[in-house]
Amino acid sequence: GQQVMQIPQYQHVQEGEDFTTYCNSSTTLSNIQWYKQRPGGHPVFLIQLVKSGEVKKQKRLTFQFGEAKKNSSLHITATQTTDVGTYFCAGLSSNTGKLIFGQGTTLQVKP
Amino acid sequence: NAGVTQTPKFRVLKTGQSMTLLCAQDMNHEYMYWYRQDPGMGLRLIHYSVGEGTTAKGEVPDGYNVSRLKKQNFLLGLESAAPSQTSVYFCASLSALFGGTQYFGPGTRLLVL
Repeated sequence: GQQVMQIPQYQHVQEGEDFTTYCNSSTTLSNIQWYKQRPGGHPVFLIQLVKSGEVKKQKRLTFQFGEAKKNSSLHITATQTTDVGTYFCAGLSSNTGKLIFGQGTTLQVKP
Repeated sequence: NAGVTQTPKFRVLKTGQSMTLLCAQDMNHEYMYWYRQDPGMGLRLIHYSVGEGTTAKGEVPDGYNVSRLKKQNFLLGLESAAPSQTSVYFCASLSALFGGTQYFGPGTRLLVL
């Protein structure tokens, strides 16, 4: 079945350093979505990528969708303490409507 | 516009008891999902629905049943709770497969003793 793997599981960075999390799917995806979950909270939608090779930016966050639509990445430039949380990717299959999440990457930022 | 709401917020069950978790959305979304979240496991899809009257199994459906009798409600049932079902349960709805945004409810913390 469809599987979505995400690495690394944890990342500790010094404030101001960059951060990247990677997402890989076992199957070709219709689109990929990224979410952020703060401790004790619920996942909050960040962005959706649909096109092969698509790159989108949100301020210091850069999202990429691979050419084969099987992988994606989220890069944060110059992390801040407000970036702390767990970042999830989720792959959507338009055939089934199933949305499968990766295990998430928990980011800790030391001030 | 309340978005996605979940009832109850927290519940303690004894092994073998049953309960129903209610998810409601007021955004007229077609797609609804139930996930469970355990430490280090991310969000795992239990069941989902692509429209009123339809349901489908996700990654970890065993021990759970669902119903979508009304478009705005998605119910998750535990017929005979087990300690392994101790988790945080999130409901979500999706506006559209393409260009849609998935909105999550606040979650239900379930403890099975």
